[in-house]
This record gives sequence, C-alpha cells and structure tokens, in this order.
Amino acid sequence: EVQLLESGGGLAQPGGSRRLSCAASGFTFNTYAMSWVRQAPGRGPEWVSAISGNTEDTYYADSVKGRFTISRDNSKNTLYLEMTSVRAEDTALYYCAKHYYDVFDVWGQGTMVTVSS
Amino acid sequence: IQLTQSPSSLSASVGDRVTITCRASQGIRSYLAWYQQKPGIAPKLLIYAASTLQSGVPSRFSGSGSGTDFTLTISSLQPEDFATYYCQQLESYPFTFGPGTKVDIK
Repeated sequence: EVQLLESGGGLAQPGGSRRLSCAASGFTFNTYAMSWVRQAPGRGPEWVSAISGNTEDTYYADSVKGRFTISRDNSKNTLYLEMTSVRAEDTALYYCAKHYYDVFDVWGQGTMVTVSS
Repeated sequence: IQLTQSPSSLSASVGDRVTITCRASQGIRSYLAWYQQKPGIAPKLLIYAASTLQSGVPSRFSGSGSGTDFTLTISSLQPEDFATYYCQQLESYPFTFGPGTKVDIK
C-alpha cells in the first residue's frame, strides 16, 4: 500500500525554524517527484514546493521562496521541508503529496505547524 | 496562473445533477485536476488531465474542458458527495488551486 506519513509539525516562534519530514512507503520513491502543499485553517490548499525524483530540480511558491528549502533522501525514502524565518501566515496543515505524471495522486494525513509567540 | 471556480457554494439534494466550473487566467491545455475534500481529511483525487477518472472513483463523476474553461459534473449526487471541490492546474509551476466549491445538503 502506498503511504505518506508526515511529521515534525508543532509550535514555532515567529522568525524561527521548523523541519518537516515525510516518510514514503509502498512505491519506488526515487522515480516520483514530490510536493509539499499546505492548508491554512478554513482556507483552500496552497502548493508550496516540489522536487524531482533525482533531486536535480526544485520549485517554490513565491510566498516561501528564499525561506523554505525542499530536499529528499532517496536512500531513506524521505522528503523534507526546512522552514526558516517563519511567519504567522505560515500557520497551516502541511501535506506531502506524490506526483503521478501531472497530478498529485497520493497525499499524507498532514502535520500542523503553528507560528505564534 | 490564477484559477476561479463557480459557484463558491451550492445546495443540492440527493439525486441532483451538479456542475462546477473552473476557469484559468491563461490556457493550460488539459493540465487540470479535480479533488474532493471532506473536513479534516486530505484532498482526494477525482479527475486528472481534465477528463480522466482516477481509479476507484465512481463513474457519476466526470470532467471536461481544455484551454481555460473546465467543468466537473456529478451526474446523480450521493450522500457521500457532500464536500468541497477544488480544481488545480499543473501546466506550469507554481501549481495553483482554485478557491473551492462547497456542496452541501439542501
């Protein structure tokens, strides 16, 4: 069974950092691009960042460019999101999602990040 | 690329035919997906490539369109279909989602 399990959420101070992880299982991890998508309370999903299967290509939303870094360790079947200089508006449920051609076919259950002093 | 959806919400009865539209600010060929989301649960893929039904999704769901105008149709609304529906463009980064259409019970 294909599964994605996020972790690392919690409370972060404004200006602080947080590292999210997404453990993948049930598929050949290094052959699929992966994305992070977030959803603020009561809002729709917002795509955050993507990385190719071979790690060569990364993409970011303007709202996080320069502050967040996406990476992956294909030997550990794990996706990461390093969040720095976090702001109140980064408060959201963060999902990892597996790409299948031009669509996100599998999503994790999400990990909540709250930015507050 | 910006996406708009209409209506933002609708009330319908079981058995009704429901149509939701999604419009892109520029042409995205057929790089459009539709997701269903229920409270507290991750979005679920329904349709990709504008009209291809994801495996396991009931055939009462269908999608159409290309370029800038797209439609999601539920042919006969079932109790489990009351949810929020989002379109997403995957023609180019940054991938964007529409604002959503909430379908609730009349």
